[in-house]
Amino acid sequence: ILNVEQSPQSLHVQEGDSTNFTCSFPSSNFYALHWYRWETAKSPEALFVMTLNGDEKKKGRISATLNTKEGYSYLYIKGSQPEDSATYLCAFSNTGNQFYFGTGTSLTVIP
Amino acid sequence: ETGVTQSPTHLIKTRGQQVTLRCSSQSGHNTVSWYQQALGQGPQFIFQYYREEENGRGNFPPRFSGLQFPNYSSELNVNALELDDSALYLCASSLAAEDTGELFFGEGSRLTVL
Repeated sequence: ILNVEQSPQSLHVQEGDSTNFTCSFPSSNFYALHWYRWETAKSPEALFVMTLNGDEKKKGRISATLNTKEGYSYLYIKGSQPEDSATYLCAFSNTGNQFYFGTGTSLTVIP
Repeated sequence: ETGVTQSPTHLIKTRGQQVTLRCSSQSGHNTVSWYQQALGQGPQFIFQYYREEENGRGNFPPRFSGLQFPNYSSELNVNALELDDSALYLCASSLAAEDTGELFFGEGSRLTVL
């Protein structure tokens, strides 16, 4: 069983603050790293799919970076809004068909 | 909305019973994966089906079994239910030909075993 760790476990920020989360994963046999956003009572939704060391992806106010050599990825949210409140999951794969998920970072943005 | 639908959304069973969970994949997707999310944990890979064949299995006992049908919908069957099987079961479809492997999830089936 491969270990994927996310930190922090939970986070409360004020509206307008910028924040970031960390995902750590094994640095050997890397295939892909995914970030998912999961709102309560909905299904997890893919934010980013990252496959290359040094990848940087951006979608609006959210961006992510990837370092496969040292086994970590950062997710950044700039100017947090209440609608950003959700659990953010990262998932690592070394084969392409099986993903190992972290336990997630629960973000609450306070208006 | 992903187009992946799961049923039932909630169900309660007792120890020793059997359960079948169903998943309809997104149109055009030929691969379905099942994950179990127990309380306080991240989703754990159960198995994947690609074109009706099992294509990878996680660390789950044989009483967890599955099927994929010609229309690529899928079932997860769990026999001899145990209390620890209480969890949210997520189905995700994907297009195996894609090298990204992006997963499109349903909203899950929440199973409670009493």
